[in-house]
Parts: sequence; C-alpha cells; structure tokens
Amino acid sequence: EDVLTQSPATLSLSPGDRATLSCRANQGLANYLAWYQQKRGQAPRLLIYEASHRAAGVPARFSGSGSGRDFTLTISSLEPEDFAVYYCQERITWREFTFGQGTRLEIK
Amino acid sequence: EVLLVESGGNLVPPGGSLRLSCAASGFQFSLYSMNWVRQAPGKGLEWISYISSGSTSIYYADSVEGRFTISRDSGNNSLFLQMTNLRVEDTAVYFCVRGTAAHLDYWGQGALVTVSS
Repeated sequence: EDVLTQSPATLSLSPGDRATLSCRANQGLANYLAWYQQKRGQAPRLLIYEASHRAAGVPARFSGSGSGRDFTLTISSLEPEDFAVYYCQERITWREFTFGQGTRLEIK
Repeated sequence: EVLLVESGGNLVPPGGSLRLSCAASGFQFSLYSMNWVRQAPGKGLEWISYISSGSTSIYYADSVEGRFTISRDSGNNSLFLQMTNLRVEDTAVYFCVRGTAAHLDYWGQGALVTVSS
C-alpha cells in the first residue's frame, strides 16, 4: 500500500494555466511534507518544505498548502520551464524518507 | 554554493560490488546528515540510506539492508556507499543528497549504476 499517493498521475495543461497537484497520505502527517521538481535528465530540486515554505530561489508562483493527510502544490501560472515531474515526500518515521510516485506535468 | 559530486558509477555483473563516493563542498559537511536516493530508469525516487552528522545514526531501506553500507569521512567532506551482492533491480542513478530533519535540500547530479551480465 502506498504511503503517499499523488494525483493525478499526469496533468496536461497549457502555459499560463493554474496547476493543482495533490498528495494524500494514508495516515496523518506532522506537516513536514516536501515537494520536489525533477526535469528530464536532471536531479530533483527542493521546491517546498514543511508543507508551505518555499525553498531558496523558488519563484513565488509555486505554493504549498495542506495539513493532516491532504497536501497541495499549486503553480499559479505555468511557465514553459515548469513542465516536469513533481514528487511529494515525507519522513513518515525517523528511519526513512518516503516519496510519492510522482505527477507528470505535461504541455497540453 | 553547495556542491555534491558523485563518482564511482559503473557496469557491474549481478553479485558484484561497487563503491560510490560523493564529494561535498560549499557547506560545513560535518554538521549535516546525508542520504543516498536512487532512481531506476523511468521510475520514481527511492530513498535508500541515511547517515547522521556524527555517524551515530544510520538507516537503510529494506530493499538494500544487509547489502549496502553508508559511511562518511567528515575530514575529507566525503560520503560513501559500499554496495555488495548487487542485483539487476539495483540498476539506477544514485543521488547523494544533503538532508535536514525532514527534507532533502541539495542533490548531486547522480551516478549511474548498471547491474547486468
């Protein structure tokens, strides 16, 4: 059973659209949820930590929200460089970091 | 600037061994926990190992427990992953990642490990 479930698996939107990505946990979390962006052929990049805090250098169009079991990454107006795969992550127990399976954001 | 550079990736036969290294710079390495995260071709991210700043706490994913060993040399700002009894399913890009208490803030570019006969 997946601990973190991301939806949708694929999201097809156009530049300028608003993107809403979901991450649901199968148990309540302590709001340490993080979001990462991974472009093709690159390493992941931290976008959001502790559910709603933007990492250094992350544009303001990226925002995180949520608590408990349901979390959301919102991109207010998509830029061409935002089309990538997005992962949520939580440290469910102190022994491990857990990732969601990812949402692919593609150009419509 | 935080920089993490992995090395040691290679093609290795099933049952073989390999040691990955990660050279860290741009931050006080001895103060941070470190991790290895891997990504199989076309798949998602899988955390595989953690080591605390002082090496007192070490954790592994079930998938590598007993086969992989994480270590660090804070005097040389280096992180290591010794991999033994490698399996085809260990084929992946392996990322060296700096950690905080709950998230992973800086990632290396990765080292490709291919396990194949």
